[in-house]
Amino acid sequence: QTVVTQEPSLTVSPGGTVTLTCASSTGAVSTGYFANWFQQKPGQAPKALIYTTTLRHSSTPARFSGSLLGGRAALTLSDVQSEDEADYYCLLYFGETYVFGSGTRLTVL
Amino acid sequence: QVQLLQSGAEVKKPGASVMVSCKPSGYNFIDYFILWVRQAPGQGLEWMGWINPKSGVTKYAQKFKARVTMTRDTSISTAYMALSRLTSDDSAVYYCARGPPAGPTADYFDASGSFWEHWGQGTLVTVSS
Repeated sequence: QTVVTQEPSLTVSPGGTVTLTCASSTGAVSTGYFANWFQQKPGQAPKALIYTTTLRHSSTPARFSGSLLGGRAALTLSDVQSEDEADYYCLLYFGETYVFGSGTRLTVL
Repeated sequence: QVQLLQSGAEVKKPGASVMVSCKPSGYNFIDYFILWVRQAPGQGLEWMGWINPKSGVTKYAQKFKARVTMTRDTSISTAYMALSRLTSDDSAVYYCARGPPAGPTADYFDASGSFWEHWGQGTLVTVSS
């Protein structure tokens, strides 16, 4: 069974930069996994931020960026705002099926 | 604008089945896949599968294959997710989301595009004796 792992929690100061990563138990993540990233706040449906590893959805602020980093998919938040405090999930595509990451709780403090 | 309206909360006993509906609006129903995701209380997101509303072809996560059935009724532009043999572990919020455009063949799924943007409001399913 494929497992996708993220940092359980991260803390960042307002105005700072933080990188969240997404690793696959099958090996290095590549562009062929079409990584997606989502933000979820309590009581809300997930909000799509990034698709196909690096592309922002039209409503995604430019301070969110996606990349590959050391064999993992990565989401970098720059100039972090208080409203960025949320849970973040990656999603990887494995040919015919998807697996969500375990999620990262981001605290802005 | 694109919206996906899901059916209301359900309470079921262990061993029963549940069916959640998802009715999109703002686009032609058969033109886009419908994806299903669930989230248990305090837990992460879990992909369950998808259905191509144009062809009815489905793909399920291995974990749910024996218990899940995704269908659609094109006459009323509604997708359904049915889960059988419920246990307390199935207590969760179930979401539908709009997927990629239906492709040139019945089972063609293009994972590279800009989708996952439109979600239903979620349906809480509680399994309790």
